Amino acid sequence: GEDVEQSLFLSVREGDSSVINCTYTDSSSTYLYWYKQEPGAGLQLLTYIFSNMDMKQDQRLTVLLNKKDKHLSLRIADTQTGDSAIYFCAEPSGGYSTLTFGKGTMLLVSP
Amino acid sequence: DTEVTQTPKHLVMGMTNKKSLKCEQHMGHRAMYWYKQKAKKPPELMFVYSYEKLSINESVPSRFSPECPNSSLLNLHLHALQPEDSALYLCASSRAGTGYYEQYFGPGTRLTVT
Repeated sequence: GEDVEQSLFLSVREGDSSVINCTYTDSSSTYLYWYKQEPGAGLQLLTYIFSNMDMKQDQRLTVLLNKKDKHLSLRIADTQTGDSAIYFCAEPSGGYSTLTFGKGTMLLVSP
Repeated sequence: DTEVTQTPKHLVMGMTNKKSLKCEQHMGHRAMYWYKQKAKKPPELMFVYSYEKLSINESVPSRFSPECPNSSLLNLHLHALQPEDSALYLCASSRAGTGYYEQYFGPGTRLTVT
């Protein structure tokens, strides 16, 4: 079955760039998603990329997709303390828009 | 409006209690989902409703009983739960039909079973 891998932890200083990486296994995935979860909260859809794109930029967020290596990354420019959260990448799995989530990367931003 | 609301925010219940979790969305979505999330883990899919019909049940124990009374509402009825059922329960919604559509999540209900 599908398996989505992420590194578990990333620590950066405020103002630096953060790069969160994800590896997925289903090469037929049409969309790939990034969700953010702050402590005690639900998941917030941050951005997504269609599989025929290599890059998508949305303000401070840049998503890069390498289909050959099945590698997805999320770059956050000028990281702020409010960006501290767990970031999940997700790919479609089966029908009804169901998702397989990675284990999540905890981003800690220090002042 | 991309808001999914869930009530209550927190719930503490004993193993013999019956309670319900509620979820509501007004985005016109016709697919709704229940997830269970343990601490420091990704969400695990429990149920999917599409056009108010139960489409996926991920082998969830019968002490969890979902209900979709209309296209905007989703309930999860709880009965005779176990302490290991303590978790964050998340509701999500999306457009339905062929193809993949992004899911929008509610803030969750933090459930503690004593």
